[in-house]
Amino acid sequence: AQKITQTQPGMFVQEKEAVTLDCTYDTSDQSYGLFWYKQPSSGEMIFLIYQGSYDEQNATEGRYSLNFQKARKSANLVISASQLGDSAMYFCAMSSNQGAQKLVFGQGTRLTINP
Amino acid sequence: ETGVTQTPRHLVMGMTNKKSLKCEQHLGHNAMYWYKQSAKKPLELMFVYNFKEQTENNSVPSRFSPECPNSSHLFLHLHTLQPEDSALYLCASSQDVGQRPGPQHFGDGTRLSIL
Repeated sequence: AQKITQTQPGMFVQEKEAVTLDCTYDTSDQSYGLFWYKQPSSGEMIFLIYQGSYDEQNATEGRYSLNFQKARKSANLVISASQLGDSAMYFCAMSSNQGAQKLVFGQGTRLTINP
Repeated sequence: ETGVTQTPRHLVMGMTNKKSLKCEQHLGHNAMYWYKQSAKKPLELMFVYNFKEQTENNSVPSRFSPECPNSSHLFLHLHTLQPEDSALYLCASSQDVGQRPGPQHFGDGTRLSIL
């Protein structure tokens, strides 16, 4: 079975600083995908970034980058130059790479950006 | 504007009522999902449909009945719900791309309250 662990229930960061949100995972699959989603207070889940288990380079999408360390089974999200609008819940998730995905989510981290 | 539309956004119902949640995706995806998000719990996958066929039922009680008439529409029929079923219900869709899955795109959710 797959499992995602996010050990930071809450994070408080000053605006314009970089922030790292931790995510570790457990799976016996050889091929899998790792995802990060943002959930503002309005409730929608917004896809941020994806990392495939066989991707050799860390994924980047604008201010978001994924620090993928396969041997340590970690997939931390790094947000550079944080903005007030980044305040939200952040969820790490994973799925096996076979057909329709069964995403398994972590508990989430609530990120608050202070002005 | 999200490519996945859920209606209604909010629903209050009694335990004996019958209601349905609707999800429509405009992204040309072939896989659709229902998730349940309760307070202080990770998102829980409920059902998966791939090319209109149900491929996953994650031990969901029979008072929740999904229906997928085509790849663009997904319903969740509700009947005789319990107070613990109060939650945010999220619909998602994705493209089944075999060994490299695309991200799941979520709707804004239906916040359900059972009286």
